[in-house]
Amino acid sequence: GNSVTQMEGPVTLSEEAFLTINCTYTATGYPSLFWYVQYPGEGLQLLLKATKADDKGSNKGFEATYRKETTSFHLEKGSVQVSDSAVYFCALSKEGGSEKLVFGKGMKLTVNP
Amino acid sequence: NAGVMQNPRHLVRRRGQEARLRCSPMKGHSHVYWYRQLPEEGLKFMVYLQKENIIDESGMPKERFSAEFPKEGPSILRIQQVVRGDSAAYFCASSPRGETYEQYFGPGTRLTVT
Repeated sequence: GNSVTQMEGPVTLSEEAFLTINCTYTATGYPSLFWYVQYPGEGLQLLLKATKADDKGSNKGFEATYRKETTSFHLEKGSVQVSDSAVYFCALSKEGGSEKLVFGKGMKLTVNP
Repeated sequence: NAGVMQNPRHLVRRRGQEARLRCSPMKGHSHVYWYRQLPEEGLKFMVYLQKENIIDESGMPKERFSAEFPKEGPSILRIQQVVRGDSAAYFCASSPRGETYEQYFGPGTRLTVT
C-alpha cells in the first residue's frame, strides 16, 4: 500500500542553520505530496504541496521538489528561525479515489537562538 | 471565520466507558476526515464523511468505533468500551469539497484511557 517514510527526530538546530528533512514515499500512480507543520498545542497546517512530478512547492522560506525518479519530497530551508520550532509531517494522497492523507511519523524540530 | 473546532481538547475515560469526540468543521465545509495519532506514530486515516454519508471508513477498526456527520450539528466519533490502546490524539479535518490539499485541521482531542 501507499506509505511515507521521513526523517525522525528530534532535531535541534541553531538559528540561521540550514534545514533538510528527508521524505520518501511508496505509491502507485501519481500521488500529490504535502508538508504539514504542527506548532505546539495546535492542529496541523498545510505548509506546501506539489501535485505532479518536478513541481516545487514553497512557502515561508521552505521548499520541496516532487522527484518521481527518486520518489522523494525533501523539505529544505536555508536559514531557520526560532519560530520554525514545530513538528513537520510529510504526507501523500493517492491519485483518484478517496482523498485521505497518508502521513509519515513526523519530525520534531527545535531551533535555538 | 473560525477554524475547525474540536471538543473536548482532553478526555479521560476508564476502561469500558464510552468516548464521544466532536468536530465542528469550518463554515461552508461539508467534508470531514478523522485521523488518529498513536504515541510515536504518524497520523492514520480513520474515516471520511460528507453530510449524512460515510464515504470511506477503511481506516476504522471493525469493532467499537463509529462515526457520523448529521445534517445539523458536529461530526461525532464514538468509541464504545474503550481500552488502553485507544489512548491517542484524534484529529479532525474539514474541506469545502473532496480535494485533499484543502483539508484544514482542528487542534485535536487527546484521549487518555485509565
